Amino acid sequence: DVKVTQSSRYLVKRTGEKVFLECVQDMDHENMFWYRQDPGLGLRLIYFSYDVKMKEKGDIPEGYSVSREKKERFSLILESASTNQTSMYLCASTRDSGRADEQYFGPGTRLTVT
Amino acid sequence: AQKITQTQPGMFVQEKEAVTLDCTYDTSDQSYGLFWYKQPSSGEMIFLIYQGSYDEQNATEGRYSLNFQKARKSANLVISASQLGDSAMYFCAMREKGNQFYFGTGTSLTVIP
Repeated sequence: DVKVTQSSRYLVKRTGEKVFLECVQDMDHENMFWYRQDPGLGLRLIYFSYDVKMKEKGDIPEGYSVSREKKERFSLILESASTNQTSMYLCASTRDSGRADEQYFGPGTRLTVT
Repeated sequence: AQKITQTQPGMFVQEKEAVTLDCTYDTSDQSYGLFWYKQPSSGEMIFLIYQGSYDEQNATEGRYSLNFQKARKSANLVISASQLGDSAMYFCAMREKGNQFYFGTGTSLTVIP
């Protein structure tokens, strides 16, 4: 079974802090994704990566950066957390760019910025 | 323009009845994939069913089926014989060429005993 894990289920940070969200997958997937989920807005793509050290901006990259130094690990970084970044963050991975390949999701990190 | 549209924010269904969750999509690609995911209150996203744009038959997985109408660009999820455990958020998603997935805003389904 594919497993996607995220470093924390719940996180509380203060405004201005640097925040790291870690995601690890154990199935050698090429593609990894970071989404944020807000009520009524569905899942919005922040960044994705299709290879080590490769990244592409999604729909809402502002205020975020990412790092993929190893194939299995994809990190989301909030350089200076703000209250409007309070959200649920979901990491996902897929095997390759075949259209039939579904995304496997981690359990999510609920981030609160106070 | 929205790539995926789910027009039903909330739906109710009686236990053991069937329910249809609507999804329309927008793409100019000939080759694409359509997915449905379930998200229970615990938060994890669970893959339910997949339909390829070239698949001639509607996809089925147990109690889930996908009513695929290509000309209308719709990919509705049908859940038969609803169970209490089906209460969750349901998301429709599409993958075109490349790596990006597009998700709808979701439908909250409540199954009434």
